[in-house]
Amino acid sequence: NAGVTQTPKFQVLKTGQSMTLQCAQDMNHNSMYWYRQDPGMGLRLIYYSASEGTTDKGEVPDGYNVSRLKKQNFLLGLESAAPSQTSVYFCASSYGSGVGYEQYFGPGTRLTVT
Amino acid sequence: SQKIEQNSEALNIQEGKTATLTCNYTNYSPAYLQWYRQDPGRGPVFLLLIRENEKEKRKERLKVTFDTTLKQSLFHITASQPADSATYLCAPRLNAGNMLTFGGGTRLMVKP
Repeated sequence: NAGVTQTPKFQVLKTGQSMTLQCAQDMNHNSMYWYRQDPGMGLRLIYYSASEGTTDKGEVPDGYNVSRLKKQNFLLGLESAAPSQTSVYFCASSYGSGVGYEQYFGPGTRLTVT
Repeated sequence: SQKIEQNSEALNIQEGKTATLTCNYTNYSPAYLQWYRQDPGRGPVFLLLIRENEKEKRKERLKVTFDTTLKQSLFHITASQPADSATYLCAPRLNAGNMLTFGGGTRLMVKP
């Protein structure tokens, strides 16, 4: 099992450009999440998906959109990148969305917006 | 507002000693609290989950305590090893929700 995979690993964008971060899991998990991690800020939830076809906003959703068309994939889109979106992005998955389920994280995507 | 506090300064200890990391939270009544380990350049890895009705949870050399009165969780690593060097994140989970809220983490350095 590959677990949770993310592409790309690194990305540099110019302000105003758009891109999609891809996440895939092969554990048949129902729930998936996107976080960003900034120095001194810890992990902050951007969006999550409790099940295929559903998505909900997290703590910092502005400037992002998501798509969960297939159970194994969760896409994070940046419509018009801004320097404030420079961060490390982590995707995670869990078997259930109820309390008591541990999350499995991908290796992260390091995004720089100039 | 809800807040989680973990020591932002690194904790340096000698190999073989017990490391104790602290997680304090305010304005929370978390039903669950999780601990994760994160190595540089990698995603967090789940370690332990403790429920509000559990005062203590153990896994091999790891022990977590959960004091809902003090609003604090302690994470202990006994007989620490250099391989335990990493950043440790605590993450309370709200009773009514399914979202984890992560603390900023404490970096542990175990010296041989």
